[in-house]
Amino acid sequence: TQLLEQSPQFLSIQEGENLTVYCNSSSVFSSLQWYRQEPGEGPVLLVTVVTGGEVKKLKRLTFQFGDARKDSSLHITAAQPGDTGLYLCAGSITGGGNKLTFGTGTQLKVEL
Amino acid sequence: GAVVSQHPSWVICKSGTSVKIECRSLDFQATTMFWYRQFPKQSLMLMATSNEGSKATYEQGVEKDKFLINHASLTLSTLTVTSAHPEDSSFYICSQQGGGNQPQHFGDGTRLSIL
Repeated sequence: TQLLEQSPQFLSIQEGENLTVYCNSSSVFSSLQWYRQEPGEGPVLLVTVVTGGEVKKLKRLTFQFGDARKDSSLHITAAQPGDTGLYLCAGSITGGGNKLTFGTGTQLKVEL
Repeated sequence: GAVVSQHPSWVICKSGTSVKIECRSLDFQATTMFWYRQFPKQSLMLMATSNEGSKATYEQGVEKDKFLINHASLTLSTLTVTSAHPEDSSFYICSQQGGGNQPQHFGDGTRLSIL
């Protein structure tokens, strides 16, 4: 059972466009992380959010944790080809022993 | 710089061979290590959790006798895929965590191809 559903699954956009990726669950998470993964490499941590309603910004990326800590979103402003990659959300459940449950993933392609 | 080194990065071998993958912590002592498997165009699926000095805890559906995990020190964990078959071909990724609320640091993965 996949606890974290991401949408969209695939996204192909032009350089300069904005986009939002969603990560939804029926479970409550003590913390949620976003990663970006490129082919043949391990995931690289972008951000960790822990407080319901929290918003964090990383240059052109804005991350939000839902008030109930069940969902999150990633918004990219003025996307660039370098943003291309697989975006993964991952959550830790309280009492889960620091195990991460990964989302289904969103494959983003930004074209010139 | 990298905090987790995974080796080898790519393995191609014949069916029936056992393959060992190493995961080393470069910058810190990792009390907990995680092993994941990722099939093409899919997300990461946790295989097992290991704590230094104790047996690994395997996720449901993962055969512990097939995927042997050893975490004998705070800087090294190994995953051995025993008698590998083509269906074991996948991208295997390890991660290490220093404990508490520290984030997980991921290795660069090992591409395993069984012919």
